[in-house]
Amino acid sequence: DAGVTQSPTHLIKTRGQQVTLRCSPKSGHDTVSWYQQALGQGPQFIFQYYEEEERQRGNFPDRFSGHQFPNYSSELNVNALLLGDSALYLCASSWFGIQPQHFGDGTRLSIL
Amino acid sequence: AQKVTQAQTEISVVEKEDVTLDCVYETRDTTYYLFWYKQPPSGELVFLIRRNSFDEQNEISGRYSWNFQKSTSSFNFTITASQVVDSAVYFCALSEAQGGSYIPTFGRGTSLIVHP
Repeated sequence: DAGVTQSPTHLIKTRGQQVTLRCSPKSGHDTVSWYQQALGQGPQFIFQYYEEEERQRGNFPDRFSGHQFPNYSSELNVNALLLGDSALYLCASSWFGIQPQHFGDGTRLSIL
Repeated sequence: AQKVTQAQTEISVVEKEDVTLDCVYETRDTTYYLFWYKQPPSGELVFLIRRNSFDEQNEISGRYSWNFQKSTSSFNFTITASQVVDSAVYFCALSEAQGGSYIPTFGRGTSLIVHP
């Protein structure tokens, strides 16, 4: 039974570029949440997707957008990358948003 | 105001010592959930425990135990007879109802280093 899978594992971008991160939820899960974890900090909630719609959003600018597909997988898009966007991006899935969530290993994004 | 406070940034112990990780939370909700997660160097957050606000019973799972006290808004985590494999960052999290979803707010984490 595959858990939450994220791709890519690592990514290096430059300021101003755009990036897309991908997440496949655990089998049987229909809700996907995205988190940003800066070095030495706890994960910060970006947004949550359920039934292909953004259900809840944290305090992140519109440069951060997402999408959920009919198979429940999800993408996180970040436009106009800033140095401060360098972080570990974690995807978590659950059934109907019920806690606890299952987390993936994350994508480490570095902005040069 | 920080909703989840983990005042211990880093704790260093020698194997077989007992260690307690502190977590203090802040909420006005009567219904909420508390969690502990473990994050090894690989990055994945591993779920350890969930407690709802109506269940103050302490819990023990092997070498792990949790003490939930609503009177002091604390949810502390104790590892008995620590092992090197326990070395990781541990996060306490609070979930309150937000638009029908219980989105967790994480503390800053406590890095536990267990020396052989």
